[in-house]
Amino acid sequence: GAVVSQHPSRVICKSGTSVKIECRSLDFQATTMFWYRQFPKQSLMLMATSNEGSKATYEQGVEKDKFLINHASLTLSTLTVTSAHPEDSSFYICSARDQTGNTEAFFGQGTRLTVV
Amino acid sequence: AQSVAQPEDQVKVAEGNPLTVKCTYSVSGNPYLFWYVQYPNRGLQFLLKYITGDNLVKGSYGFEAEFNKSQTSFHLKKPSALVSDSALYFCAVRDLRSGAGSYQLTFGKGTKLSVIP
Repeated sequence: GAVVSQHPSRVICKSGTSVKIECRSLDFQATTMFWYRQFPKQSLMLMATSNEGSKATYEQGVEKDKFLINHASLTLSTLTVTSAHPEDSSFYICSARDQTGNTEAFFGQGTRLTVV
Repeated sequence: AQSVAQPEDQVKVAEGNPLTVKCTYSVSGNPYLFWYVQYPNRGLQFLLKYITGDNLVKGSYGFEAEFNKSQTSFHLKKPSALVSDSALYFCAVRDLRSGAGSYQLTFGKGTKLSVIP
C-alpha cells in the first residue's frame, strides 16, 4: 500500500512556542490530506482537510489561526501549532488518499506533542 | 450525518479462540466501510474495506469482516486470535459530503482488543 510519513514522531516544546509537523506521501500524490487529533483512549477527531494549493477547510471548533495548515505540494502538508499551550498536548495524525483510485486512506505514524 | 458505533470499549479473548469486534453504522447512501488497527503511539494501519460486491471481505493478518446491510453492521472477525493482535481497532465509514478531492472518514470510538496468552 501507499506510504505516508509523518515527522517528528515525538516533540516536546515550551508553552508559547510553535511546532511544525510534516506529513509526506512518499510514493503517491495526494491532493488532499487530513489532520486528526486523538485524545487518550478516544477516537480520532478530524481537525481539518488540507487541499493542495488552496486554503484548508477546518472543522467546527478548530481554531485556524492556532493550527496553521500548509499544503504547498502534492506530497507535503504541514501542521503548525502556534503559541502552544499544555492543553494542545495530544497525538496528531495525518492521512492521505492515493488519487490513483484506491478508496482507503493511508495514515502517518502520528506525532506525540507534549507542551510543558 | 454519518456515524459509526463500536459498542464495546474492550474485548478480551484467549489466544487461539475466535474473536469478533463489533461495528454498526449509519449513512444516508451506500456505505464505504473500513477497519483500521492502531498500536500504541502509532498511526492507523489499514486492515480491510467493503465497497461493493461480496459481503465477506478478507483483509490483512487473517482478519475478515462481514457486511450486513439489513443490520447495518460490519463486524471484524478472526478465526484464531494471536497475542500480537492486541491493539486498538477502529471501524470507519466514508463521509459522503461533497468536495473536490475530499475523502473524509468518520471513525468509531475504537475497541481495545486484548488477547490473553
